[in-house]
Amino acid sequence: GAGVSQSPSNKVTEKGKDVELRCDPISGHTALYWYRQSLGQGLEFLIYFQGNSAPDKSGLPSDRFSAERTGGSVSTLTIQRTQQEDSAVYLCASKTLWETQYFGPGTRLLVL
Amino acid sequence: AQTVTQSQPEMSVQEAETVTLSCTYDTSESDYYLFWYKQPPSRQMILVIRQEAYKQQNATENRFSVNFQKAAKSFSLKISDSQLGDAAMYFCAYRGNNAGNMLTFGGGTRLMVKP
Repeated sequence: GAGVSQSPSNKVTEKGKDVELRCDPISGHTALYWYRQSLGQGLEFLIYFQGNSAPDKSGLPSDRFSAERTGGSVSTLTIQRTQQEDSAVYLCASKTLWETQYFGPGTRLLVL
Repeated sequence: AQTVTQSQPEMSVQEAETVTLSCTYDTSESDYYLFWYKQPPSRQMILVIRQEAYKQQNATENRFSVNFQKAAKSFSLKISDSQLGDAAMYFCAYRGNNAGNMLTFGGGTRLMVKP
């Protein structure tokens, strides 16, 4: 079946602009995660959605970062007023309740 | 908080040989899961193998096997008969029993395979 998809694959933006990153999880997966992979910080958890529960935002690095998940499926990660330190690969993963997380190909964000 | 350490930033292996990647972790939990993910240049994180902490038997997936030492909090990955396609970044990851089951990753090991 189809895996996790993410768009865009690459995004170049100017400092101060807002960006939206999209994640389409595997159909039927109730849990969705966003991670950030950067040179200095490695792979870090950002936010987690499970069904209709309130998201776990404990990994978001600042209030410029937000995410939503509409209809329990597609998720959008929004970064407002981007900074150069936001440059990273943003990875999305999904899973069913007890299973392993399956990752998408990521979005590489470059803030100039 | 849990931490995962991969002490080998880079490893190299000759094609058809065997290589072992190291991973140690720190946790106070008794029930958890450990994973090895492979990340080729395409960026796609691919699950290689997983181990449930309550299982004493080491997990095996074809050419990939682990040496899980719970008391030592060690979880190494052995790749047998290395192939050129095994060249990638390898990440060790921990998943505890927190509500979100989010993963904590090690810093990664870059594996190079020489023909």
